[in-house]
Amino acid sequence: NAGVTQTPKFQVLKTGQSMTLQCAQDMNHEYMSWYRQDPGMGLRLIHYSVGAGITDQGEVPNGYNVSRSTTEDFPLRLLSAAPSQTSVYFCASSYAAGTGETQYFGPGTRLLVL
Amino acid sequence: GNSVTQMEGPVTLSEEAFLTINCTYTATGYPSLFWYVQYPGEGLQLLLKATKADDKGSNKGFEATYRKETTSFHLEKGSVQVSDSAVYFCALSDHGNYQLIWGAGTKLIIKP
Repeated sequence: NAGVTQTPKFQVLKTGQSMTLQCAQDMNHEYMSWYRQDPGMGLRLIHYSVGAGITDQGEVPNGYNVSRSTTEDFPLRLLSAAPSQTSVYFCASSYAAGTGETQYFGPGTRLLVL
Repeated sequence: GNSVTQMEGPVTLSEEAFLTINCTYTATGYPSLFWYVQYPGEGLQLLLKATKADDKGSNKGFEATYRKETTSFHLEKGSVQVSDSAVYFCALSDHGNYQLIWGAGTKLIIKP
């Protein structure tokens, strides 16, 4: 059981470039989400999904797209990278979308936009 | 709206000291409360949780009690170790809105 995996671990982009951050889980979890972590700000929710084919926006969705074609995968796309998107990105999953559910996190992707 | 407030860090303690990290919350309903821990270079992992008032969550020597009357969920440990050095996040999820609301995190440094 690999849990939640994320690739790449580290990425450097130039302003205006696009890229996809990959996230996969092998626990058959219905709920998946993307967060960004910035110093002193905790985690902020970007997008989430309650099942294959269903996605919705979180607190800070601008500049990011997601899709959920399978239960296992939940990629995050940066459309046109900006320096403000320099951050650490975490993918998380839980068995279901419900109060009290434990979320399982991937190891993170550190993104630097120049 | 819902919010979580944690004490600012870093918190620096000597090994075997008693630890308290304060967490208070604002919520419209009856939330579930969580403590997550992030060790250096890793993702977050659940440390403990409580889903209703007066519940006590515990794990790895850490404890936190859900206090509805003071809207608090303070994290405690009787004797910390160097290996407890990490960032600790308090979070809540409210009924009807299961997304987690996070505190800013408290960095804990334990010196031998």
